[in-house]
Amino acid sequence: GIQVEQSPPDLILQEGANSTLRCNFSDSVNNLQWFHQNPWGQLINLFYIPSGTKQNGRLSATTVATERYSLLYISSSQTTDSGVYFCAVAPPGTASKLTFGTGTRLQVTL
Amino acid sequence: DAGVTQSPTHLIKTRGQHVTLRCSPISGHKSVSWYQQVLGQGPQFIFQYYEKEERGRGNFPDRFSARQFPNYSSELNVNALLLGDSALYLCASSFNSNQPQHFGDGTRLSIL
Repeated sequence: GIQVEQSPPDLILQEGANSTLRCNFSDSVNNLQWFHQNPWGQLINLFYIPSGTKQNGRLSATTVATERYSLLYISSSQTTDSGVYFCAVAPPGTASKLTFGTGTRLQVTL
Repeated sequence: DAGVTQSPTHLIKTRGQHVTLRCSPISGHKSVSWYQQVLGQGPQFIFQYYEKEERGRGNFPDRFSARQFPNYSSELNVNALLLGDSALYLCASSFNSNQPQHFGDGTRLSIL
């Protein structure tokens, strides 16, 4: 099956700092989603981005499908950004069968 | 509009028992998928149902089963519970099999 690797595994930032999270995947995908899992376990949709670039406030994401990677940018980080960020992908024809990466655990400190 | 709703939120069972978890998708969504998330790992795909038919199954034993009802809600059943079944069970819905998925808050299952 498709492999998903995320880096870095852990990240500690001071409030106000910027960061870049990376997701590499091993095969063509029809679905790529970024999620934020908060400390209460809620999995929150950030982006649906199988290709291209999107922005939503302080967050933006870019997927280069031909090179099989995606980047999530967090600018001016806040303590509420803390949690685990997951990249999840699905091959063509199976968009509802997501394979998740191991996640990046982000801690934002004051 | 209501998001994906799951019940119950928490559940404690003992080894050997069975459990039924429930999921109501976002209104208009016809695809429901189930995932298991053990502590420290990313969610793992268990089942997908679309238009009341099973469309995908992950690498889980036959103790796990699911179904989807005419109103597109879904149940996940687990028989002969093991300690290793302790996990957060997440349900996700999408309009069809090719659209992004939206997750519920999950059911946290503890096996004693």
